[in-house]
Amino acid sequence: ELKVEQNPLFLSMQEGKNYTIYCNYSTTSDRLYWYRQDPGKSLESLFVLLSNGAVKQEGRLMASLDTKARLSTLHITAAVHDLSATYFCAVGFLNDKLIFGTGTRLQVFP
Amino acid sequence: EAEVAQSPRYKITEKSQAVAFWCDPISGHATLYWYRQILGQGPELLVQFQDESVVDDSQLPKDRFSAERLKGVDSTLKIQPAELGDSAMYLCASSFFGTSGSNEQFFGPGTRLTVL
Repeated sequence: ELKVEQNPLFLSMQEGKNYTIYCNYSTTSDRLYWYRQDPGKSLESLFVLLSNGAVKQEGRLMASLDTKARLSTLHITAAVHDLSATYFCAVGFLNDKLIFGTGTRLQVFP
Repeated sequence: EAEVAQSPRYKITEKSQAVAFWCDPISGHATLYWYRQILGQGPELLVQFQDESVVDDSQLPKDRFSAERLKGVDSTLKIQPAELGDSAMYLCASSFFGTSGSNEQFFGPGTRLTVL
């Protein structure tokens, strides 16, 4: 069974701090996507990682992919309140099917 | 900026009634997806179309759900009859089918369904 697991499921962090969200998946894939979802809203694409060792950065967020370890990370640098949201990783499989992780709910407080 | 359109945004219905959702993908996107997202969970694929053909409907409860994309552009997802457990957000997404592209999926605003 294909599984995509994220941890932590919930993250409460202080502004200015750094933290990493982990995404583990159970089978071979070389495509991984990160999405952001605000409460009651749809999913916004953040990063597309297409190969082993891929690293992408946008503002305070940086994502990386290790296909051999079947692991992706989303690193948050100097968190700000506007980053509060739920973050999903999704692994791409045959026919472009995406399997989503459980989501990490991030709350940034002053 | 091109976006995926969905309607209605919200739908409240009673159990055993029929409901339908509509999706218009980004122009030029051959692949269209319908997802269901239960509160507190990640989206789960219900059905995937490539043009007008179904590529994957393995998770679609076919006794009550149906989906079509007759002309390979917009799509309709129907539930008949609706059950209490169908309350969820229904998301439509589209992607450009290419041999070397990222096949990144772009999501619409979703339809929030409440079954009473």
